[in-house]
Order: sequence, then C-alpha cells, then structure tokens
Amino acid sequence: ETGVTQSPTHLIKTRGQQVTLRCSSQSGHNTVSWYQQALGQGPQFIFQYYREEENGRGNFPPRFSGLQFPNYSSELNVNALELDDSALYLCASSLQRVSADTQYFGPGTRLTVL
Amino acid sequence: QKEVEQDPGPLSVPEGAIVSLNCTYSNSAFQYFMWYRQYSRKGPELLMYTYSSGNKEDGRFTAQVDKSSKYISLFIRDSQPSDSATYLCAMKDSSASKIIFGSGTRLSIRP
Repeated sequence: ETGVTQSPTHLIKTRGQQVTLRCSSQSGHNTVSWYQQALGQGPQFIFQYYREEENGRGNFPPRFSGLQFPNYSSELNVNALELDDSALYLCASSLQRVSADTQYFGPGTRLTVL
Repeated sequence: QKEVEQDPGPLSVPEGAIVSLNCTYSNSAFQYFMWYRQYSRKGPELLMYTYSSGNKEDGRFTAQVDKSSKYISLFIRDSQPSDSATYLCAMKDSSASKIIFGSGTRLSIRP
C-alpha cells in the first residue's frame, strides 16, 4: 500500500450534476497530481498542486477544479458533469514537484455519469 | 498522433516465458521514463524508473531506453502468474509537472 487514500471508492451521478472527490496524500508529501483514466486507456494528467497552488494543468476544461489544503489533502471538483467524465480518477502524491520516481498513486475513485 | 504509443494487447504467455513490452514516443524532450504496473481495481504502482538512455535492471525486470529511436522496453524474465496485470509506460521532461502515459498493455501469464 502507498499510503495514499481516496474517497469515495465508487460514485454514480447524473449529467449536469457536480461532484467532489477527495485524496489524502502520503505523510510528508507536499505535491498532489490528479489524473483521469478512461476504460482501456492510460491516465491523463488533469492538474498538479504544490503547497496549495496549482502547478501545471493538462488539457481539461475549467469545470475541472481543485484544492489542496494545509495538511496536503486535496479535492477534485467537477461541475456540469458530462457522460464522457465517466472514468477512474486517480490522485498521486510526491515529495517534489518535478520528481518522476516518487509519485505514489491511490486506488482511485470510479465515477459513473448517467 | 499520440505522444506515447503502446500496443494494448492483450498479451498471453506461459509461466516462465520472457515478456517484452514496448512503447514509442514522439517528444524528444522526454528525459524520465517509467513503467507502472496496474492490477485490476488498483492504482498504478511504479516498477522501474530510468533517466535518459540506457538499461536498468531490478530483479526479474529490465528497462531499456533508446532515445535515438524514441523507443523504450520492459523485459520480464521468468514470468509468474502474479505478473498478470496492465503495464503502463510513462514519461516526462525535466521541467513539466505532468507524466504522459501510454494506453497500457494487458498481460496474462498462464500457469
């Protein structure tokens, strides 16, 4: 186990609703990245937070937003849900912003949009 | 064209076989190359990490990077049924915060 936890495990929403996903980073990690993994695809980078500030964003619309808290836990918020938002959402914590070898992934939250 | 291309498989081999997994990429700025293993209903787990070109060995796993050909490989020796999973190649440049993943190869090791 990596020490990164995510909640909830599964979630079902309808189109147009809003959702908040949560991530608790590994102890001492000040950087968290969020990824979207569609079925049969690799994870796609949504954004990264470092010390409560956004530190890079992938090709996702503004309705995807995030927060990182002083205890380094974080949230991913998605507004106006669309059917294509159905996916596994992964968070990964790391000690450094640009380090590649210390990203630890959580088990993910599976979101289904009906 | 995707930045990282990976054959999705599925790939099925008998126990004890040598497995070869590969990815190609187009961005010459990539400096860090990783292989992740993902079991069903789990998050990706880092297996191997290589900086720039060359080989790296860890137990039954060997990672190779050929930057001139923009080609990376993962070899698994003496494959075990417990190696059955999806294998994701991933890479990034030295300044970016994001990791770019391949689509993953599903591997099944038959007992």
